[in-house]
Amino acid sequence: EIVLTQSPDFQSVTPKEKVTITCRASQSIGVSLHWYQQKPDQSPKLLIKYASQSISGVPSRFSGSGSGTDFTLTINSLEAEDAAAYYCHQSSSLPQTFGQGTKVEIK
Amino acid sequence: EVQLLESGGGLVKPGGSLRLSCAASGFTFSTYTMNWLRQAPGKGLQWVSSISSGSRSIYHADSVKGRFTISRDNAKNSLYLQMDSLRVEDTAVYYCARAPLYSGYDSDLDYWGQGTLVSVSS
Repeated sequence: EIVLTQSPDFQSVTPKEKVTITCRASQSIGVSLHWYQQKPDQSPKLLIKYASQSISGVPSRFSGSGSGTDFTLTINSLEAEDAAAYYCHQSSSLPQTFGQGTKVEIK
Repeated sequence: EVQLLESGGGLVKPGGSLRLSCAASGFTFSTYTMNWLRQAPGKGLQWVSSISSGSRSIYHADSVKGRFTISRDNAKNSLYLQMDSLRVEDTAVYYCARAPLYSGYDSDLDYWGQGTLVSVSS
């Protein structure tokens, strides 16, 4: 099973600040890495697919990068509505797995 | 508009059974791989099962293999999860999610339902 480790677990950020969340895979997964946002009491929402591909309707301040084992989700100029948990997800091999999540709080 | 609506959750005793349903609309259901995922209270996301568009390829997580069965009825635009021999550790919100794939498993999950809560307790 591929283990995904996110860092940090928690981040408290002021509006307009830049946020960087990393996801490290226990073995190479190419670019089969996706990012989701989950707000309290809501279902997850796809933000970025295949490491860096943008999703229609997702604000351009969200971007992704990386390949192999190291990946990054960047939120440029954080807005209050971005308070949420963020999860990475690998689909390279079964079982599909998720990172433990990163909670972003707005100061 | 793509919509996924889960139902069938509830409170069940250990060893009991439940059948979850997911009603799909707003897209051609029969051409997409579908998935079940779960999230225990206050915890992260866990993939449970996947089924290809024509039901030829079915995958289950080891933790549910032999106890849960995924199926679909393309004529009814519906996805199912039969859950038998339920354990306390199966307590979670269960989500159905669409993968933009005809078959296989290497894909993002582009639409999720709102989830249905399954509680296993004596």
